[in-house]
Amino acid sequence: NAGVTQTPKFRVLKTGQSMTLLCAQDMNHEYMYWYRQDPGMGLRLIHYSVGEGTTAKGEVPDGYNVSRLKKQNFLLGLESAAPSQTSVYFCASSYSYLTDTQYFGPGTRLTVL
Amino acid sequence: GIQVEQSPPDLILQEGANSTLRCNFSDSVNNLQWFHQNPWGQLINLFYIPSGTKQNGRLSATTVATERYSLLYISSSQTTDSGVYFCAVVWFRDDKIIFGKGTRLHILP
Repeated sequence: NAGVTQTPKFRVLKTGQSMTLLCAQDMNHEYMYWYRQDPGMGLRLIHYSVGEGTTAKGEVPDGYNVSRLKKQNFLLGLESAAPSQTSVYFCASSYSYLTDTQYFGPGTRLTVL
Repeated sequence: GIQVEQSPPDLILQEGANSTLRCNFSDSVNNLQWFHQNPWGQLINLFYIPSGTKQNGRLSATTVATERYSLLYISSSQTTDSGVYFCAVVWFRDDKIIFGKGTRLHILP
């Protein structure tokens, strides 16, 4: 039982490049979330999903796209990376929407030059 | 939008001491959660506590929703309690989760 895993752990991009972050959970959770954390800040919700095939915008969705083609996977895409997207990205999952324990992945540190 | 303020921003304590962390929020919320981020970045959900009091070992939390604050108590601190403690609320208007900036706790051996 791996819980929530994220791939990759680190990545460096140049401005304008694209990439996809993968989040996988093996707990059969319906709800999955993508957050970003900037230095000295709490987490900010980018996008979330309430089930396979569904996605919704969070607090800071601009510049990101997401997909939930399989229940266990939640992908976060950056189509044209910008330096403002330099951050640590966390994925989380839970049984119910924000009223239950969220389980977090280890994070992906992304630097955009 | 809703404002979430945590205090103090930083706290340094000796092992064995007790501490109280506070979270104030500016509007009604559907729920409130406390999280711990250890020095290596791993996040753990401590409590889901929209109102009332909960306890888990040396940690307990109290939320007074009508007065718009929550408190996290840590008793008999251990070095493993070090890290950043975040509270997060779900604003009733848009059902989105908003985090405070956290309280950084450093427990000295």
